[in-house]
Amino acid sequence: KAGVTQTPRYLIKTRGQQVTLSCSPISGHRSVSWYQQTPGQGLQFLFEYFSETQRNKGNFPGRFSGRQFSNSRSEMNVSTLELGDSALYLCASSRQGAWNEQFFGPGTRLTVL
Amino acid sequence: AQSVTQLGSHVSVSEGALVLLRCNYSSSVPPYLFWYVQYPNQGLQLLLKYTSAATLVKGINGFEAEFKKSETSFHLTKPSAHMSDAAEYFCAVGETSYDKVIFGPGTSLSVIP
Repeated sequence: KAGVTQTPRYLIKTRGQQVTLSCSPISGHRSVSWYQQTPGQGLQFLFEYFSETQRNKGNFPGRFSGRQFSNSRSEMNVSTLELGDSALYLCASSRQGAWNEQFFGPGTRLTVL
Repeated sequence: AQSVTQLGSHVSVSEGALVLLRCNYSSSVPPYLFWYVQYPNQGLQLLLKYTSAATLVKGINGFEAEFKKSETSFHLTKPSAHMSDAAEYFCAVGETSYDKVIFGPGTSLSVIP
């Protein structure tokens, strides 16, 4: 059974640009959650999608957005990038929801210059 | 609101020694509890989970955790540390009523040869 995949694995952008990250969940999983991980703030929840609907949202500015497609694949977008957006972005999928067992992808390392 | 604390952001043990990583949560209702491990440059991997079936939960790689309701704790242990156990460990609490998960700040485990 294939695991959670994230593309790209590494990304370098400059301030003001926008970026789109992609996540393919495990087959049969309808929940996809996104997290931002930084050395200073730790693991922070961005949002969760379940069957194409955003079910929960963390405390991030509107520059961070996401969506989920009918095949459960998800994308997150960050517009007007800031230096502080440099982080490891993790995607996790779950059969039932973020409150239960989650399977994480390897992450996308975003560097903003 | 639920909160998760992990005592000790960094823990060092000698190879072969007992590993004890502490986790306390704030809910009065037994929630879903998880321990995840993150190796460098990777996503999180589930070590074990508690779902009220048994208070002592066995996980992968020789780890186990004991749920103690009276102490609202879910400490992770391993009898004998191995060099390959060096990683970041996250305790997490799942809240079914809010459909969300709360992660602790993490504990970095170092194993000294």
